[in-house]
Amino acid sequence: RKEVEQDPGPFNVPEGATVAFNCTYSNSASQSFFWYRQDCRKEPKLLMSVYSSGNEDGRFTAQLNRASQYISLLIRDSKLSDSATYLCVVNYGYNFNKFYFGSGTKLNVKP
Amino acid sequence: GAVVSQHPSWVICKSGTSVKIECRSLDFQATTMFWYRQFPKQSLMLMATSNEGSKATYEQGVEKDKFLINHASLTLSTLTVTSAHPEDSSFYICSARQGAGEKLFFGSGTQLSVL
Repeated sequence: RKEVEQDPGPFNVPEGATVAFNCTYSNSASQSFFWYRQDCRKEPKLLMSVYSSGNEDGRFTAQLNRASQYISLLIRDSKLSDSATYLCVVNYGYNFNKFYFGSGTKLNVKP
Repeated sequence: GAVVSQHPSWVICKSGTSVKIECRSLDFQATTMFWYRQFPKQSLMLMATSNEGSKATYEQGVEKDKFLINHASLTLSTLTVTSAHPEDSSFYICSARQGAGEKLFFGSGTQLSVL
């Protein structure tokens, strides 16, 4: 079983739509959680960390469910510029030295 | 945020040659750097973890004699793909942690094409 699993998509949505992605992780000892955004052939960029209480950054809301071992990302009022691949990242291990990436969920926002 | 510089951005080489990729942390000291490989439409796969001044820790299935990693200073790690073959063609990307921080800062990646 993969450490981190995501629906690869693609999710094709119109501008202004609300879209949600989920991600599941297998290691219950996972300590930190992140969403990264990756554009084609570019490096991943940190979108937001995910906290147990849930957190929001503008149009983006992240949730963590430790009991069910999943993480979600909600994007409201989608923009064309939101088109990218969204990577779920889970971190655990001694000294936070293990980062595992999901395969990514591709989002296409269309006019 | 912290900046990680990776060079070269892309390289084309003949089969059998060696290629060196550099990863530098520009405005912070990176005690730990990570090297990843990404094939098209696939996830980033961790190849190895390097700590300054010590030997790299390789993930299962990654040949340490083929992918040489050197982390001689707190700001520079290098990955050398030795005797490259077409199947080594991939997108290689480094990342660094600043101290004991949780966040990763990524280089811009290197697209390697082996003919």
